[in-house]
Amino acid sequence: DAKTTQPNSMESNEEEPVHLPCNHSTISGTDYIHWYRQLPSQGPEYVIHGLTSNVNNRMASLAIAEDRKSSTLILHRATLRDAAVYYCILAYSGAGSYQLTFGKGTKLSVIP
Amino acid sequence: EPEVTQTPSHQVTQMGQEVILRCVPISNHLYFYWYRQILGQKVEFLVSFYNNEISEKSEIFDDQFSVERPDGSNFTLKIRSTKLEDSAMYFCASSVRGQAPGELFFGEGSRLTVL
Repeated sequence: DAKTTQPNSMESNEEEPVHLPCNHSTISGTDYIHWYRQLPSQGPEYVIHGLTSNVNNRMASLAIAEDRKSSTLILHRATLRDAAVYYCILAYSGAGSYQLTFGKGTKLSVIP
Repeated sequence: EPEVTQTPSHQVTQMGQEVILRCVPISNHLYFYWYRQILGQKVEFLVSFYNNEISEKSEIFDDQFSVERPDGSNFTLKIRSTKLEDSAMYFCASSVRGQAPGELFFGEGSRLTVL
């Protein structure tokens, strides 16, 4: 699997936007960019995914660079519940099972 | 909202004992997975399962591990003879699709403590 690089930790004030960066310079054309998060003592939770275009859903937005070598997960208004480890994961659409390779992720702290 | 449920939430066992962790995936999902997370470490893929067969397994998933779908709803992970290093959170997941893109739905995990 292609590798991703994320900052170890970030802080945000409550109700402010948060931009979580991810570098994936070795991404291939069939790799989808996925974001998951893991709240304390819980299983990973899907956030969003994209291929080339920016994506929005009820949880977050995903901004993908034109060359696809980096992406940014945007939480529009951080809440205390958004404090979690955020994982940027590449998964290719091809034969074989759907296997996610988790890195260390970015630990997001939200300050009240 | 449908969810993946796992039991037990916490199990303590003695080294060398057999353990079965149970999962009820989301009902219309066809692909099932086990991941584990040793305390303070990354989430690691163990095995994927589709159509009553293992699709893929990692190096961690050795002969001590097995998976089964004994009926139409449960998906189990068995560890035959537990070792101290098997202590971890074990997460079950399920999905509609077997390939990216898409969403894996994870359960809340079963914490296994091997003494």
